Amino acid sequence: SQQGEEDPQALSIQEGENATMNCSYKTSINNLQWYRQNSGRGLVHLILIRSNEREKHSGRLRVTLDTSKKSSSLLITASRAADTASYFCATDAGDDMRFGAGTRLTVKP
Amino acid sequence: AAGVIQSPRHLIKEKRETATLKCYPIPRHDTVYWYQQGPGQDPQFLISFYEKMQSDKGSIPDRFSAQQFSDYHSELNMSSLELGDSALYFCASSLGLRLNYEQYFGPGTRLTVT
Repeated sequence: SQQGEEDPQALSIQEGENATMNCSYKTSINNLQWYRQNSGRGLVHLILIRSNEREKHSGRLRVTLDTSKKSSSLLITASRAADTASYFCATDAGDDMRFGAGTRLTVKP
Repeated sequence: AAGVIQSPRHLIKEKRETATLKCYPIPRHDTVYWYQQGPGQDPQFLISFYEKMQSDKGSIPDRFSAQQFSDYHSELNMSSLELGDSALYFCASSLGLRLNYEQYFGPGTRLTVT
C-alpha cells in the first residue's frame, strides 16, 4: 500500500458545510503537504506542515498532523462550490514524494 | 507572483517518436521535480534535480532522460514513445531540496501518444 492514503475517497457536502479529509502514512516523514487538483489541471499546492508542527492554518484551511498516529487532516471550513476538486496529501520522507490516492470533494451549491 | 511554467501544454506524438518537455521553475528556485500522472492514476515521481545535478530518481523509464540547465530550467526527453506514455507530466520546483521546503507544481504537459 502507498504512503499518504487519504480517506474518505469521495466526499459530498453542501455549500457552507465543513469538509474534513484525512491522510495516513506509514513511515517517518519530514513534512506532509496537501494539494488540490481540479479536473484536467495541475496539482496546486495548498499547505505544508512540518513534522515538528501540529497545526497550521491558511485562510479557510486547517491542517493538523499527529506524528504518533502517522496521520494528518485537512479541514475546509465554510465550503464553496469552487472547492470542488480532488485533494491529495503527499509525504516527504527524504527519499521521494509520495502522493496518496486523493479525496474527491464535491460541494453542492 | 510567477509560477512554474511548463511547455508545451499539450503534445501529440506517434509511437516511436521522441518528445521533449520543458519546465521553468519559479525564479530563484534551484530544484526541479518531474511527475507523471496517467489517466485515473496518482502522480508518480520520475526524477529530480538540485543545482543542476540529479538528486533523486523514481520510476523514470530508461527511455526517458532529463537534465537541469544553468538557468535552472529542466527538460525531460522521451524517446521511443509508447502508448502507455500518454499522461500528464508535471514539473514542480522548490528552493532547496524537498526537506521542509514547499514544492510548487506547474500546470502540466499533456502528452498523447497515438
